[in-house]
Amino acid sequence: ILNVEQSPQSLHVQEGDSTNFTCSFPSSNFYALHWYRWETAKSPEALFVMTLNGDEKKKGRISATLNTKEGYSYLYIKGSQPEDSATYLCAFYNFNKFYFGSGTKLNVKP
Amino acid sequence: GAGVSQSPSNKVTEKGKDVELRCDPISGHTALYWYRQSLGQGLEFLIYFQGNSAPDKSGLPSDRFSAERTGGSVSTLTIQRTQQEDSAVYLCASSQQGGSSYNEQFFGPGTRLTVL
Repeated sequence: ILNVEQSPQSLHVQEGDSTNFTCSFPSSNFYALHWYRWETAKSPEALFVMTLNGDEKKKGRISATLNTKEGYSYLYIKGSQPEDSATYLCAFYNFNKFYFGSGTKLNVKP
Repeated sequence: GAGVSQSPSNKVTEKGKDVELRCDPISGHTALYWYRQSLGQGLEFLIYFQGNSAPDKSGLPSDRFSAERTGGSVSTLTIQRTQQEDSAVYLCASSQQGGSSYNEQFFGPGTRLTVL
């Protein structure tokens, strides 16, 4: 079983704050890392698919970076809004399977 | 177009009973995954189907769990003789092509199973 860890487990920020969290994964045999957002009472939705060391992806106020040599990815949210409140999951791809971290639960207070 | 659907959305059952959970993937998606999330845990891989190939069942926690996929489309996850530790949210996801790290997964809304 591959170990994928996310930190922090939960985060409470004020509207307008910028924040970031981490996903750590094995640094060998890297193929891809996926980020998903899971809002309460909804299905997880894909944010980014990251495949190359040094990748930086951006979607609106959310961006992600990837370091495959040291085995981590950061997700950044600039100017958090209440609608960003969700659990953010990363998933490490290895031989047809995705190994998910336990997620970072973000709560943005208005 | 229609997304991934799952039924039922909620299922409450008594210990020892069998349950069936259903997943309808997005039309044309050849890969289908089942996961579960127990309270306080991350998503745990259960089983993976790709086209007509033999499924990867390596994540099934016991022989009480089985799954099938008929006609390369609808999938059913069956849990026999349910136990309280089977209580979890069961999620299904499909993607355009399995065996590819690039394809994002599209998740269904999940089935919340409670075993009393």
